[in-house]
Amino acid sequence: IAGITQAPTSQILAAGRRMTLRCTQDMRHNAMYWYRQDLGLGLRLIHYSNTAGTTGKGEVPDGYSVSRANTDDFPLTLASAVPSQTSVYFCASSDSNQGGELFFGEGSRLTVL
Amino acid sequence: GQNIDQPTEMTATEGAIVQINCTYQTSGFNGLFWYQQHAGEAPTFLSYNVLDGLEEKGRFSSFLSRSKGYSYLLLKELQMKDSASYLCAVMDSNYQLIWGAGTKLIIKP
Repeated sequence: IAGITQAPTSQILAAGRRMTLRCTQDMRHNAMYWYRQDLGLGLRLIHYSNTAGTTGKGEVPDGYSVSRANTDDFPLTLASAVPSQTSVYFCASSDSNQGGELFFGEGSRLTVL
Repeated sequence: GQNIDQPTEMTATEGAIVQINCTYQTSGFNGLFWYQQHAGEAPTFLSYNVLDGLEEKGRFSSFLSRSKGYSYLLLKELQMKDSASYLCAVMDSNYQLIWGAGTKLIIKP
């Protein structure tokens, strides 16, 4: 079944450690996104990529980096994790960056102690 | 600033009808989306409105008034499986999605 796969599903991490959340899609979508979801807040965009080879900053990019070496993969890296990065992270993709349905991965629950 | 407002929580009875409202103030408008999110799961797409009026899709309908900055999601013949959070999101002039905090819908037997 086509879709988006995220890994890991859940992770507990010590503050200061480096962590990469993986995201792979097999729908050949051009646009990919990383969101974080915190209780009481809407989804907040961290970084996005409109097409392979390009990336952009979203609403809350500080402390995070991304790369888009090919169409399918869009990893999110926390260079030095801090407790405020405890959240649920969702990767998403869409066929176009100008509207259209977003397809979400199942999420990665990250706890930074 | 840009903001999306929707009620935090609503309760309804199985078999009834419920309307979830969403008001928005954004820099431009390129469409409004509704997503459903069950607890512990990913959001899934429900509807998209870019023109004024009502879009019907089975038990779910979504309405948009661009002049009023207002939308609602109407759920008919409620089922227990409709218990979920409903997220309203608006695409602004830069094609960025602005998300509401979501409305948690509780269905009682």
